Amino acid sequence: DTGVSQNPRHKITKRGQNVTFRCDPISEHNRLYWYRQTLGQGPEFLTYFQNEAQLEKSRLLSDRFSAERPKGSFSTLEIQRTEQGDSAMYLCASSLGQGAATDTQYFGPGTRLTVL
Amino acid sequence: AQKITQTQPGMFVQEKEAVTLDCTYDTSDPSYGLFWYKQPSSGEMIFLIYQGSYDQQNATEGRYSLNFQKARKSANLVISASQLGDSAMYFCATTSYNTDKLIFGTGTRLQVFP
Repeated sequence: DTGVSQNPRHKITKRGQNVTFRCDPISEHNRLYWYRQTLGQGPEFLTYFQNEAQLEKSRLLSDRFSAERPKGSFSTLEIQRTEQGDSAMYLCASSLGQGAATDTQYFGPGTRLTVL
Repeated sequence: AQKITQTQPGMFVQEKEAVTLDCTYDTSDPSYGLFWYKQPSSGEMIFLIYQGSYDQQNATEGRYSLNFQKARKSANLVISASQLGDSAMYFCATTSYNTDKLIFGTGTRLQVFP
């Protein structure tokens, strides 16, 4: 299977702990996106990378959140000092990076985070 | 700012019937894309269909078609011959040439009954 993969699929943590999620995009895709989805809502954009460069960050991405894509391949999203409000599904997507509003993003299965 | 509105929180359809899921959008960008995604209970977002703002014809992908009415700023998804496996959340989304992120609506839950 050459789709987008995410690990772990589920994470339960206690408030105040740090967590890290990993995303492996489709191999030939240059762009990688992170979204967050809370119950009953559509996904909300967090950040995205063009190769290893982080090009945009949402205001939703507080200073407790950091994302990296060190070699332009996989990406990690770290949340420090988790809060109960961080409980959500974290979705990763990748695309070829064609731009011009034609780029289709393909999503991974998501990581469901529960903060107790 | 771009915005997607999905006014149907839930829809029911009988197996083998067609169903239309509504989506309206708001954007000031001259070039934009419209997407539909399916999200089963497992959580993964599955890409269904894409329509570009300059495309003259409505997009089709198998049983899915997109009824694009540019003047009305609507991009409704039509599913023909519904199947039980079509039961899921459906999200409409948009992006434009000067922003690469997807903006999603709140979704419509479709339930297909026998």
